[in-house]
Amino acid sequence: AQSVTQPDIHITVSEGASLELRCNYSYGATPYLFWYVQSPGQGLQLLLKYFSGDTLVQGIKGFEAEFKRSQSSFNLRKPSVHWSDAAEYFCAVASPSGNTGKLIFGQGTTLQVKP
Amino acid sequence: GAGVSQSPSNKVTEKGKDVELRCDPISGHTALYWYRQSLGQGLEFLIYFQGNSAPDKSGLPSDRFSAERTGGSVSTLTIQRTQQEDSAVYLCASSSLAGVETQYFGPGTRLLVL
Repeated sequence: AQSVTQPDIHITVSEGASLELRCNYSYGATPYLFWYVQSPGQGLQLLLKYFSGDTLVQGIKGFEAEFKRSQSSFNLRKPSVHWSDAAEYFCAVASPSGNTGKLIFGQGTTLQVKP
Repeated sequence: GAGVSQSPSNKVTEKGKDVELRCDPISGHTALYWYRQSLGQGLEFLIYFQGNSAPDKSGLPSDRFSAERTGGSVSTLTIQRTQQEDSAVYLCASSSLAGVETQYFGPGTRLLVL
């Protein structure tokens, strides 16, 4: 069955520290990969996506993610976290066939930023 | 420009009542998705519309759930005979084309079934 796992439910980092949020997927083939962010009271916003090509993807707000096929992972990183990055982060996959765009989400990781 | 809008923002209903949730997608977007976000199940796909094609209803949890999209624009998600386990935030998203195009999400409708 297709699934997405975000091993860390909650992460706390200090402002200015680096961040890595983990995402692993289980899929028959390499799916399309996404990271979304949900701030309190806000809708989901796309940070970045990977379909093919360069395995290091740059996104908005200074985020990047690296696709590693051998590890079935798509981890999200940021070199220096800002207090405004506190939010919930979701990794998601979609099938590359059929082209429906239906997203399967992980359970989410809540990021807390300490001043 | 205007984003995806949803109404109502909050809905409280009694068990057994029917509810209708509305989604206004971004103008010109042909693909429209409904998702549900709940504490126990996380974010789940419910249903997807693409243009005039038959909708993909594979994510609907029971036959109490239905959705329609009129004129290729506004969509309504209907839940009949609501149950307490239907309490969740219902999110709508639209994209200019299904598949690789970015889905833009609305703020959601928070449904509470008493």
